[in-house]
Amino acid sequence: KNEVEQSPQNLTAQEGEFITINCSYSVGISALHWLQQHPGGGIVSLFMLSSGKKKHGRLIATINIQEKHSSLHITASHPRDSAVYICARGRYSGGGADGLTFGKGTHLIIQP
Amino acid sequence: NAGVTQTPKFQVLKTGQSMTLQCAQDMNHEYMSWYRQDPGMGLRLIHYSVGAGITDQGEVPNGYNVSRSTTEDFPLRLLSAAPSQTSVYFCASSQDRGTGELFFGEGSRLTVL
Repeated sequence: KNEVEQSPQNLTAQEGEFITINCSYSVGISALHWLQQHPGGGIVSLFMLSSGKKKHGRLIATINIQEKHSSLHITASHPRDSAVYICARGRYSGGGADGLTFGKGTHLIIQP
Repeated sequence: NAGVTQTPKFQVLKTGQSMTLQCAQDMNHEYMSWYRQDPGMGLRLIHYSVGAGITDQGEVPNGYNVSRSTTEDFPLRLLSAAPSQTSVYFCASSQDRGTGELFFGEGSRLTVL
């Protein structure tokens, strides 16, 4: 079982719809990342959070540490939001760094 | 500010050949890491470094070698390329060990024939 599970794997919506992508993880974290990857493109960091909620433009990320769950919301979705959204957890390990563990991503398509 | 620079962007190798993927960052980040991205697998950590002279293995280190002689550079070496190493490789850096914002390079697409 992957330590980081994302849902849904694929999502197609109409322009203007409110989008929610979910991320669940099985071990404690020091930080959770949301990343965006456009087709054939590089990877961009959207959010890094360890508690609460963050907002940037039309994007909102929330995290519930007790439930080990995070969500990424997109308000007033637009075709340019079409991309793969990736959740990743960061974790310290016994005094050493162990990098990140990634979800498999959610492929989002926003149709005009 | 260039951020994280990876070279080459594309490379085709024959089985058994060796090569080095270059990664450089100009943000004075202590933490640098290499990932491979394969269809259906997501990103997986190959090696990482928390500072010059310090490296460690990630989830899938076999067949790869790294060194960190300077803060800026973190090259990834394929010692004897195999078709299983066909993938897209990303380098990333961060101010903190997995808790700071991540900055990714544009990726290097490697094909091993």
